[in-house]
Amino acid sequence: AQTVTQSQPEMSVQEAETVTLSCTYDTSENNYYLFWYKQPPSRQMILVIRQEAYKQQNATENRFSVNFQKAAKSFSLKISDSQLGDTAMYFCAFMKHAGTASKLTFGTGTRLQVTL
Amino acid sequence: DGGITQSPKYLFRKEGQNVTLSCEQNLNHDAMYWYRQDPGQGLRLIYYSQIVNDFQKGDIAEGYSVSREKKESFPLTVTSAQKNPTAFYLCASSMAHGLAGGRSYEQYFGPGTRLTVT
Repeated sequence: AQTVTQSQPEMSVQEAETVTLSCTYDTSENNYYLFWYKQPPSRQMILVIRQEAYKQQNATENRFSVNFQKAAKSFSLKISDSQLGDTAMYFCAFMKHAGTASKLTFGTGTRLQVTL
Repeated sequence: DGGITQSPKYLFRKEGQNVTLSCEQNLNHDAMYWYRQDPGQGLRLIYYSQIVNDFQKGDIAEGYSVSREKKESFPLTVTSAQKNPTAFYLCASSMAHGLAGGRSYEQYFGPGTRLTVT
């Protein structure tokens, strides 16, 4: 079974600064997907960024980027130029590759507070 | 606008009563999922469905039941057998069931239903 670990329950960053959220996972699979989801106070789950394990290039989406280290089973999220609207819970999630159940396995989340 | 709707946003029930949570999507997605979220924990999968009239248990299916009679709808019933039903419930859908290529595997979530059982 896959497990996802987020070791930072809470983090704080000042507006316009950069912050990195950590995520590690454990799997015996070779092909899989990794995701970061954002859950603001409204509790709506919003997909932030995705990474296919077969791709060596780290994914980027505007101010959001990941550092994917497959051998180390690490998948950190970097938020640049932090904005007040980035305040939310952030969840790292793992999904097996095609042909198997598309079950998402989530970490316990990191609460990010962006301050002035 | 395409999306996933869950109703109601807040639901209150007495212990011992069954309650059904609604989930509807107009994204033409084949696969649908139900997750449960508790404080301090990530989301955990209850049930999922790949196609109409078919569904599978997730990691915490005990005390729950589902049906998938229509592609657009995937209601979740929380039965009296569920020992700790108070939680936030999220429904999700994806275009396909983990097929390779493109972004067909991405799951999109509804706004959730907060269920309180007293």
